[in-house]
Amino acid sequence: GAVVSQHPSRVICKSGTSVKIECRSLDFQATTMFWYRQFPKQSLMLMATSNEGSKATYEQGVEKDKFLINHASLTLSTLTVTSAHPEDSSFYICSAPSEGQETQYFGPGTRLLVL
Amino acid sequence: TQLLEQSPQFLSIQEGENLTVYCNSSSVFSSLQWYRQEPGEGPVLLVTVVTGGEVKKLKRLTFQFGDARKDSSLHITAAQPGDTGLYLCAGAGTASKLTFGTGTRLQVTL
Repeated sequence: GAVVSQHPSRVICKSGTSVKIECRSLDFQATTMFWYRQFPKQSLMLMATSNEGSKATYEQGVEKDKFLINHASLTLSTLTVTSAHPEDSSFYICSAPSEGQETQYFGPGTRLLVL
Repeated sequence: TQLLEQSPQFLSIQEGENLTVYCNSSSVFSSLQWYRQEPGEGPVLLVTVVTGGEVKKLKRLTFQFGDARKDSSLHITAAQPGDTGLYLCAGAGTASKLTFGTGTRLQVTL
């Protein structure tokens, strides 16, 4: 089956620094990828839709200047958390729908801890 | 904003018991998916239901999509400790966008 990877799997950073998270589709091309955030004991909340070759679409309440998304190729989307603060600590998950299907493949997630 | 409410939020049962998790919405979805997620990992797709009234079985798990395609249920027969996890329903909207339910955390003890 299709595989989506994320890197890093976990990251600890100081408050005020920026962190980049990568999401790759390993054996298929994805013109669209999705970024989710999951706080402890909660469900996944969609943050934004990453579109290859164009601007990302952000969900209501998500700051586009704080969560920078770049989808430079058909297999890679990156999420950069800029000027991270402790409240940004969360589990970030990406997904990619396989072309032509409604099935979405999820990455293993990235745990971010901001000190 | 479409909302998918799951109930119960948390369920702790003993091995061998049966359980049902419900997923309800006021919106109609083109399809509905169920996922299981373990701590520190991404969600894993269990099933997709598409047709109103559809019933799908996956070993001890039975999934049903409501006639109006607004609600769904997941029934587990003879639960095992390996069934422990966070169960999430997700409705599919336009452009492959998923709206996740509030989640049901299941704990199965020996």
